[in-house]
This record gives sequence, structure tokens and C-alpha cells, in this order.
Amino acid sequence: DAKTTQPNSMESNEEEPVHLPCNHSTISGTDYIHWYRQLPSQGPEYVIHGLTSNVNNRMASLAIAEDRKSSTLILHRATLRDAAVYYCILRSNDYKLSFGAGTTVTVRA
Amino acid sequence: EPEVTQTPSHQVTQMGQEVILRCVPISNHLYFYWYRQILGQKVEFLVSFYNNEISEKSEIFDDQFSVERPDGSNFTLKIRSTKLEDSAMYFCASSEGEGLDSNQPQHFGDGTRLSIL
Repeated sequence: DAKTTQPNSMESNEEEPVHLPCNHSTISGTDYIHWYRQLPSQGPEYVIHGLTSNVNNRMASLAIAEDRKSSTLILHRATLRDAAVYYCILRSNDYKLSFGAGTTVTVRA
Repeated sequence: EPEVTQTPSHQVTQMGQEVILRCVPISNHLYFYWYRQILGQKVEFLVSFYNNEISEKSEIFDDQFSVERPDGSNFTLKIRSTKLEDSAMYFCASSEGEGLDSNQPQHFGDGTRLSIL
């Protein structure tokens, strides 16, 4: 599996944007970039995914570098409910999701 | 919004006993998965299931584990003879779509906490 590297933790203030980086320098041409998050005591939750172009949905935006070796998940206005572990996962022709340690996001009121 | 449901939320079992964890995937989904998360550790893939067959399994999914879709709605994980190290959160997930499609998100339930005594 292609590897991803994320910071262990990030802090944010409520109502402010959060930018979560992910490095994936060994990404292959067929790898999709997926983001999931896991709120306390819950199962993982799909956030967003993309291949080459930036993507937006109701939860977040995904900015993908032109060389695809890094990406950034953007939460536009953090709320207390966004406190979770965020996972950046590469996926290509594979049934499984391979979770790493992720980034623990703390949101201050 | 449709969701994956898992029962029970907490299962306590004596070591050596059989346990069955139950899941109801989202109704129009075709792919089903089990993952586990030992306390304080990463979420680990166990098995994927499609068209009544295992499509992929991890090294964790040994002969003690089995999966079944006994009817049109349930998806179960059976551990035949539980060990202390099987204590973990077990998550069921499902996804729609045909074939190996990396574009399809997986939808997870909130898990069953399995405690082996």
C-alpha cells in the first residue's frame, strides 16, 4: 500500500478554518485520495475523496497538489463536532481501507 | 440518511466461547466489510465480502473467523473460539458499486465492543 504521512495532532478554534495536510510522495497514477474521520466512540465516517482535481462537498474541501504528492483537507469553519481523528488514505483497485494513525483534531470553543 | 446498524453495541464473552456479531448494511449496497480496532490502536481491515464470497481478507482473519450473509439484510462475523486478544471494537461497513472501484466510499456502523474475559 502507498503510504501517507500526517501530523499527529492539530488544534483549531471554533468557527475558524482547519487545514489538514497529508503527504503521499509514492502515490501512483490510479490511487484515489480518500479522507475519513472518526469521532469519539463512533465508527469511521467518509468525508471526501478525489483523484486529481480539487473537490468540494458539504463537509469539506480537498485540495490536491498538481504533482499529487500531497493534499490538504479543509474544514471551512470548525465546530466542536469536528473534533475527531482524520485519516488520509490512498486507495487503488483495492477492497480494503488501510488506516494509519491519522491526525487528532482538537477544536477550542 | 440510510445507515449501517450493528448489534449488540457491547458483547461480553468468556474466552473459548463462540460469538456472532451482527450488521445490517445499507440496503442497496453490494460490498460488505469487517474491520476491528483494538483499544488505542489503528483501525484494521479484516475481510471484504461480495456476491456471497470473500473477496479479500487480512492475515488477522484466520480459521477462527467466518462471515456470512444469511439473508437479504444481515451480515455476520463469527469468531469460533474467542481469545483474550480478540477484545476490540468491531466495525461493519458497506459500499455500493460494481467491481474494484476505488471511487466508492465505505459507510461504517458505530461498532460492537467485544470484551473477552
